[in-house]
Amino acid sequence: DAKTTQPTSMDCAEGRAANLPCNHSTISGNEYVYWYRQIHSQGPQYIIHGLKNNETNEMASLIITEDRKSSTLILPHATLRDTAVYYCIVRVARQVSSGDKIIFGKGTRLHILP
Amino acid sequence: GAVVSQHPSWVICKSGTSVKIECRSLDFQATTMFWYRQFPKQSLMLMATSNEGSKATYEQGVEKDKFLINHASLTLSTLTVTSAHPEDSSFYICSARLTSGTDTQYFGPGTRLTVL
Repeated sequence: DAKTTQPTSMDCAEGRAANLPCNHSTISGNEYVYWYRQIHSQGPQYIIHGLKNNETNEMASLIITEDRKSSTLILPHATLRDTAVYYCIVRVARQVSSGDKIIFGKGTRLHILP
Repeated sequence: GAVVSQHPSWVICKSGTSVKIECRSLDFQATTMFWYRQFPKQSLMLMATSNEGSKATYEQGVEKDKFLINHASLTLSTLTVTSAHPEDSSFYICSARLTSGTDTQYFGPGTRLTVL
């Protein structure tokens, strides 16, 4: 799986949009971009994923650049409960033979400020 | 949908004893489950990949005889920490891979193991 680079930490005011960047300059054509978050002392929570088109769901939006070398996760109206470590991961989906494992980096620690 | 549970949520045991942790996919079948370990202020570290009906695949540096994994059904994988020592104290998290549609992995809530 390709390596990703994320800022170590970010602050965002409550109610504002939180924009979390991720660089994945070595991403392959068949690799998806996944985002998870981990709230303190809990298991990671799936947020969203995409291949090349922008995606939106009830939790967030994912913007992937045209060259796919970077992406941005957008939490439109951040709340205090969004304080967590956010992980950007690139992986090949449906690759049963490889075991399809997720390797976590250090992620971005997002602090939502009241 | 796509809920993964773990039991117990926390456990305290004496050094030298064995501890079993269960991971269940509640509303989907998972041919593949994964076990992670997380130490304080660190990221998750993959320990092994658990495949239903076959032997688990362990990551480099993880002792297979110490961390026994059994994936007996499409909804249950177990991790047994044998002869636990204080250095095995950690947060253990499992995930299950959805084998249809998006192929996304969903994670359990984790099990906090403390070895005295």
